[in-house]
Order: sequence, then C-alpha cells, then structure tokens
Amino acid sequence: RKEVEQDPGPFNVPEGATVAFNCTYSNSASQSFFWYRQDCRKEPKLLMSVYSSGNEDGRFTAQLNRASQYISLLIRDSKLSDSATYLCVVNPLSGGYNKLIFGAGTRLAVHP
Amino acid sequence: GAGVSQSPSNKVTEKGKDVELRCDPISGHTALYWYRQSLGQGLEFLIYFQGNSAPDKSGLPSDRFSAERTGGSVSTLTIQRTQQEDSAVYLCASRPGQINQPQHFGDGTRLSIL
Repeated sequence: RKEVEQDPGPFNVPEGATVAFNCTYSNSASQSFFWYRQDCRKEPKLLMSVYSSGNEDGRFTAQLNRASQYISLLIRDSKLSDSATYLCVVNPLSGGYNKLIFGAGTRLAVHP
Repeated sequence: GAGVSQSPSNKVTEKGKDVELRCDPISGHTALYWYRQSLGQGLEFLIYFQGNSAPDKSGLPSDRFSAERTGGSVSTLTIQRTQQEDSAVYLCASRPGQINQPQHFGDGTRLSIL
C-alpha cells in the first residue's frame, strides 16, 4: 500500500461546480498535512495547510479525518483557473525525519 | 524575499556525460529536498538534507546519483554517466526546520539526455 494515495482523476467539472478530492494516508502517526497545486510544466505550489479542526481559505476548504486517515479538499464555485493537479502531502514524522510524502496527484479540469 | 533558486533552468546533454544541478534554498531554511518528475508523473523523492544530520538518501535510484550540501546552504545534485531514462524535471525544495512547515519549491531544472 502506498503511503499516500489519491484518485488520479481527471475530474472534469463545469465552471461554478463544487468538487471534492480525498486523499488517504497509511501512517496513523502522521502529524502535518498539506494540499499543493501543480500547473502543467510548473513546480508545485502550496495551496493550504490542513488543520485538525478543518480550515477554509476562500473557496477552498480542507478537512482532516484522523480516524479514517484521510484528508479532503473541497473547491466551491470552480473557476477555469482552478484547472491543475492537486497534490496531497503528508508528514509521517518517521525515523525522526520531517520527510514530506507526496501523493501522485488528482487532476482537475474545469470547463466553460 | 528570494525563493528557492535552481540552475540551470534547462540542460541538454549527451548520454554518458556527467551533469551537475544546483539548488540555492531560501535563506534560513535548514531542510532541503531533491525530487524528480517525469512528464505526466508524480514527484519521485530523491534525497533529503536536514541541518547537520546525515542525509536521507533512500530515494536515489542508483549509485550514479549523488548529492551534497555544503555549509548547510547550497546543494548540488550530480548524475554521472547519464542515461536517457534520467531525462526529467529535477525539483529542489526547502523548508524551515520546525515541524509542520510546508516546503517551497524552485522552478526546477529540465534535464534532457540525448
């Protein structure tokens, strides 16, 4: 089993739609979680951290479910510019190292 | 402030040659990571430096790959006797030493082996 798993998609949605991605992680001791966004042929950029109580940043909401070991990202009122690959990132804190583990990404395509 | 800087942006070289890729992390960031990403694929972890600790080299695909980080700042990733399968974008990221801090990526070096 991979340490971090994501549905690769693609998720094809119309503008204005609400879309949600889940990401599961295998290490129950994982302490920190992030969502990154990667545009085609660009480097990953931090979208938002994920806090235990859940957090919101504009149209984006991130949630953590420790019992089921998954995090989610909800995008409301999708824009064309939201089209990208969304990477789930987990810090398992194993072996004393802060090595972030990246999922393979979920591709989102927003169409007019 | 300055972000993570990588050079060169693009590198084209012949099979069998050695290449050196450079990463200049954000000032004060003690952790530095190297990844590579082939077209349409996810990030592949290569190596991780944290302060003065021994690096985590568990992701290096072969002994042709090596990396060093001098003075806790600039890092160099070296690929010896390059092969065509080494063609990829090589990404460097840095982060502060504190737990729960995210990584910040450079623009990457696009390596093409002919």
